[in-house]
Amino acid sequence: DQQVKQNSPSLSVQEGRISILNCDYTNSMFDYFLWYKKYPAEGPTFLISISSIKDKNEDGRFTVFLNKSAKHLSLHIVPSQPGDSAVYFCAASVGAGNMLTFGGGTRLMVKP
Amino acid sequence: GAVVSQHPSWVICKSGTSVKIECRSLDFQATTMFWYRQFPKQSLMLMATSNEGSKATYEQGVEKDKFLINHASLTLSTLTVTSAHPEDSSFYICSAPSGDRGREFFGPGTRLTVL
Repeated sequence: DQQVKQNSPSLSVQEGRISILNCDYTNSMFDYFLWYKKYPAEGPTFLISISSIKDKNEDGRFTVFLNKSAKHLSLHIVPSQPGDSAVYFCAASVGAGNMLTFGGGTRLMVKP
Repeated sequence: GAVVSQHPSWVICKSGTSVKIECRSLDFQATTMFWYRQFPKQSLMLMATSNEGSKATYEQGVEKDKFLINHASLTLSTLTVTSAHPEDSSFYICSAPSGDRGREFFGPGTRLTVL
């Protein structure tokens, strides 16, 4: 069974608005969470991470929120730009630097 | 949801030996699979694209004679690390595109330790 799930296969957002990408996990041992951005024919590029001791981490336009009780994390992109259009993967690990478990990805399309 | 498995989940081998890692799509067919290597600081490097019925496509800098890829069927791709060295120790992760809007399903990874 998938331990990390991204239930929305795709998301379409207008340029300048907020994009919210969601991710759920089932393994309570996960304590480190990451978001990656991926273009076709390339490997995922690391975006932002969060440790379970925090509930929010911000880096420029990207903010990741973690709700441990709900086993849910989200990535907010504000403001969204057309260049943000890509597939976004969330991932989790037990301890930073350990093997990653990935969600299936969400395709974000930001319309000009 | 679609599931991709990898076997083994971890392996320890001696320097100079070869190690085979299997990647299987369990409930869907995958004409293409990807092999990644996970580096420190969570960077993920695409090593190669495995193509069923044809040769794998390797990324620049990846030695195809060292990392042998065989896409034996629509549900199985294998990565063989030949003449392994300690610097090959890493996590190796495979994935298969789902055909749905660019989504991929990742395997659970294989931890390779070369002594």
